[in-house]
Amino acid sequence: EAGVTQFPSHSVIEKGQTVTLRCDPISGHDNLYWYRRVMGKEIKFLLHFVKESKQDESGMPNNRFLAERTGGTYSTLKVQPAELEDSGVYFCASSQVVPSGGLKETQYFGPGTRLLVL
Amino acid sequence: DAKTTQPPSMDCAEGRAANLPCNHSTISGNEYVYWYRQIHSQGPQYIIHGLKNNETNEMASLIITEDRKSSTLILPHATLRDTAVYYCIVRDSGGGADGLTFGKGTHLIIQP
Repeated sequence: EAGVTQFPSHSVIEKGQTVTLRCDPISGHDNLYWYRRVMGKEIKFLLHFVKESKQDESGMPNNRFLAERTGGTYSTLKVQPAELEDSGVYFCASSQVVPSGGLKETQYFGPGTRLLVL
Repeated sequence: DAKTTQPPSMDCAEGRAANLPCNHSTISGNEYVYWYRQIHSQGPQYIIHGLKNNETNEMASLIITEDRKSSTLILPHATLRDTAVYYCIVRDSGGGADGLTFGKGTHLIIQP
């Protein structure tokens, strides 16, 4: 079974440009998450989709970031316009939906996209 | 903010057991302890989780103290490939799904 995949693996752009990151979750996983780690900081949660709906976007840093998951399959995260502080590694994770009232789901992470804004 | 405290780094000799401690003194009764690790240049990887009983799987063992205020992840025979940052994460058992809260973790270095 294929794991979570992310594209591109690396991206180098100039300040002010636009970049779109893509995540393909594990087949059948309705939960999809975006996280990021900026230099010297911890991995931070950005947002959570259940199918095509945004369940929690409390971690999104500002309105330069737009995440979509049309059709409930793959997701994109667009940064427009990119700023220097957006440099870091962006991770995507996916998981199966589990019933409420029980154990939390296990999240499976992709390899990340390394973004460098110059 | 993370609800756990871990040492920033540890060394372990290859072939020996690596014991990684985690303090979670404010853990509540319905919260689980999860462990993930991140090997360099890869995404975080799930290892194990537990509530109050000790747990073991093919990767590791998890020992949780009786008062549940701390736990230890044990890699029984560490290899060089176990060099990674290990994260101890507390999550409630309300079911459903939510984002993980990562702290700084422990950078485990396996020495040849």
